[in-house]
Amino acid sequence: DQQVKQNSPSLSVQEGRISILNCDYTNSMFDYFLWYKKYPAEGPTFLISISSIKDKNEDGRFTVFLNKSAKHLSLHIVPSQPGDSAVYFCAARPSGNTGKLIFGQGTTLQVKP
Amino acid sequence: EAGVVQSPRYKIIEKKQPVAFWCNPISGHNTLYWYLQNLGQGPELLIRYENEEAVDDSQLPKDRFSAERLKGVDSTLKIQPAELGDSAVYLCASSQQNTGELFFGEGSRLTVL
Repeated sequence: DQQVKQNSPSLSVQEGRISILNCDYTNSMFDYFLWYKKYPAEGPTFLISISSIKDKNEDGRFTVFLNKSAKHLSLHIVPSQPGDSAVYFCAARPSGNTGKLIFGQGTTLQVKP
Repeated sequence: EAGVVQSPRYKIIEKKQPVAFWCNPISGHNTLYWYLQNLGQGPELLIRYENEEAVDDSQLPKDRFSAERLKGVDSTLKIQPAELGDSAVYLCASSQQNTGELFFGEGSRLTVL
């Protein structure tokens, strides 16, 4: 049972345009959501997060949107840069369990120059 | 500040052989995690430590996998005997208590022949 789903395995965008990565979850008991970025042969690195009590969090070119009624979050990257090409993982933290993160399958983003 | 350090980075063994992975977390991080990442999938939690105590090992296949964190700092993950299906990347991560952000090491890639 996949509680966190990233239904798009890959995404390709042109440099300077917007990248939108999507994530759906099935468990209403998640209280915190995170996005991680992973380059080949490296571990995932934290990118941005959002609490379940908010619907938007922005950090520079990166914005995460949370739609609790739809159990959906998205990561927007504007403008996209070739260095953003990586695998992006959505992760969710169950309420009351401060440690465990449940990850989606990942979406490979390619930003073309 | 040094990040999470893992070794070895790569390991190739024949099935039925034992293998061990080592992790040194970020200094001061009480919580340590071992995650398994199969090709094309997101990381899945194997075990979580709070200091030296394993507080969540429900996903650890205990018939062949074992882990320890004797002094609440470094940790070792062992597989004995290894099976073909164990080929994957084993990620170690650490976090400060009660934070959502995990810091990952570069991972140990295991190939079982």
